Amino acid sequence: GAVVSQHPSRVICKSGTSVKIECRSLDFQATTMFWYRQFPKQSLMLMATSNEGSKATYEQGVEKDKFLINHASLTLSTLTVTSAHPEDSSFYICSAPPPRTAQETQYFGPGTRLLVL
Amino acid sequence: QQQVKQSPQSLIVQKGGISIINCAYENTAFDYFPWYQQFPGKGPALLIAIRPDVSEKKEGRFTISFNKSAKQFSLHIMDSQPGDSATYFCAAKKDGNNRLAFGKGNQVVVIP
Repeated sequence: GAVVSQHPSRVICKSGTSVKIECRSLDFQATTMFWYRQFPKQSLMLMATSNEGSKATYEQGVEKDKFLINHASLTLSTLTVTSAHPEDSSFYICSAPPPRTAQETQYFGPGTRLLVL
Repeated sequence: QQQVKQSPQSLIVQKGGISIINCAYENTAFDYFPWYQQFPGKGPALLIAIRPDVSEKKEGRFTISFNKSAKQFSLHIMDSQPGDSATYFCAAKKDGNNRLAFGKGNQVVVIP
């Protein structure tokens, strides 16, 4: 099946710094990718939809200046958490739909654990 | 607003038993219903999925039952094994739209 990778798998940073998380589709092209965050023992919360060649679409309540998304190519989307604070500590997961979306759903990356001190 | 409601919140099953997780949805425009399995510290992985034109789909020990009139679907894990201990999420989406609506998740613990 399709593979989606994320880098880094975990990151610890100081409050006030920025952190970049990469999401790559390894064996298919993805014009759209999704970014989620997940708190412990909770469901996935969609943050934004990353669109190749255009601006990302953010969900209500998600600060676009705080969570910068860049869909640099058909296989790479990046999420930058700017001026990170402890409340941004979470598990960030990306996903991408494979080309034939009529029959299949999204493939998820392994996630990135962010801890802001 | 939770578009997909999942129950129970957690489940403890003995090895060899049947785990049953239920989901209900509101939006009749949903036409694709996947179940995801997530282990701690990992991303969700697609387990099995169904469309509303069938009432049941089976893949190995995993079965989805779908009741369109009741707007409910359930996951059955037969002969549950300790390795099945994970969090299970039901989800739904509309055709032509890649956005997934997730349930809150269900933690299944299979005890030896």
